[in-house]
Amino acid sequence: AQSVTQLGSHVSVSEGALVLLRCNYSSSVPPYLFWYVQYPNQGLQLLLKYTSAATLVKGINGFEAEFKKSETSFHLTKPSAHMSDAAEYFCAVNHNTDKLIFGTGTRLQVFP
Amino acid sequence: GAVVSQHPSWVICKSGTSVKIECRSLDFQATTMFWYRQFPKQSLMLMATSNEGSKATYEQGVEKDKFLINHASLTLSTLTVTSAHPEDSSFYICSAREWRTGDGYTFGSGTRLTVV
Repeated sequence: AQSVTQLGSHVSVSEGALVLLRCNYSSSVPPYLFWYVQYPNQGLQLLLKYTSAATLVKGINGFEAEFKKSETSFHLTKPSAHMSDAAEYFCAVNHNTDKLIFGTGTRLQVFP
Repeated sequence: GAVVSQHPSWVICKSGTSVKIECRSLDFQATTMFWYRQFPKQSLMLMATSNEGSKATYEQGVEKDKFLINHASLTLSTLTVTSAHPEDSSFYICSAREWRTGDGYTFGSGTRLTVV
């Protein structure tokens, strides 16, 4: 069965610092992987997705993620954090089914 | 881009009453819609998958008689929480899969249900 694990339920960074949110997946075949952002009391917004094309995926708001098969990872990064990046981030996996399986989420805090 | 409208954004109801939540795809046809439940500070739990014109497929542990899902058209799915109780209070989010590309999921803005 497919699953994703997000290491670290909370990540705190200073404004301008590198953001790294970790996601590892479990799948017997190449999966489709997604990163979503959720602001309080709102739905989810897609940041980026990997669908077996380029392994380095660029998303919105300056985020990007790299698919590493050898490490079964799909970590989300941003070179320089902004205060507006503070939110909950979810990694998700989909493989040959309609279902999206979500990780437990990582809350990003950005300090001035 | 694809837009999913979810209504209402919040609702308060009395125990024992029923509440209906609507999820509409505004600019695309959604063959498949999903309903999630999210508890505070937790991840999204898939409740059910609905396909237009057929019965919803519920995840294990989700009471189908309590959470009625109807997907009567390619642009509308509804979730009805029947005989609501305080433990049903939660954040409910719908998602629609875009028919043409099939690899995109668009989420509604969610509904905060409070049962008193």
